[in-house]
Amino acid sequence: GDSVTQMEGPVTLSEEAFLTINCTYTATGYPSLFWYVQYPGEGLQLLLKATKADDKGSNKGFEATYRKETTSFHLEKGSVQVSDSAVYFCALSDPSTGNQFYFGTGTSLTVIP
Amino acid sequence: GAVVSQHPSWVICKSGTSVKIECRSLDFQATTMFWYRQFPKQSLMLMATSNEGSKATYEQGVEKDKFLINHASLTLSTLTVTSAHPEDSSFYICSATEQGLSGELFFGEGSRLTVL
Repeated sequence: GDSVTQMEGPVTLSEEAFLTINCTYTATGYPSLFWYVQYPGEGLQLLLKATKADDKGSNKGFEATYRKETTSFHLEKGSVQVSDSAVYFCALSDPSTGNQFYFGTGTSLTVIP
Repeated sequence: GAVVSQHPSWVICKSGTSVKIECRSLDFQATTMFWYRQFPKQSLMLMATSNEGSKATYEQGVEKDKFLINHASLTLSTLTVTSAHPEDSSFYICSATEQGLSGELFFGEGSRLTVL
């Protein structure tokens, strides 16, 4: 069945460091891929998405490229800020399963000044 | 973008009482709504999927008599935690989707339930 695997945290970085959070997926169909962010005490917000292979989603300096050959959707940011401290969830939506969503376990990021 | 609103954002109740949490889609019609539970520092656990006008589909291990879900309209779903106990204390999050929006999920702000 469908699943999402993302790197376990927590991740602690200094401000302006480079960020990579790995995410790989398994899907029976051709899924859309998402990164959601959850700030402390809040619900989830969509950070970026990609709906087909080789698409690159980007937002707020974050990027992720839909790689079908490696079934990956790694999240990257060139220079993190303290305000990026949050939990990041990788997710997929698979039309072949009625657009059911599958989430990774979440990766907690803490950026220190 | 589409907005999903949850209410209340925080509720404290006594053990044995029932608590209702509302989830509203403010600017779109949500054909499907999902309820999740999130424990501290853990991922989302899907509790149930509800489609407007039909009974909710509960995930394995979720007590349907404990967590009553009603999706009476295309803009409102409610989760009622009946006879709440301290172990029901958690962060409950709803989300909604509408066909034709690339399958994107829109999340509410979450509701923190504390049962004393």
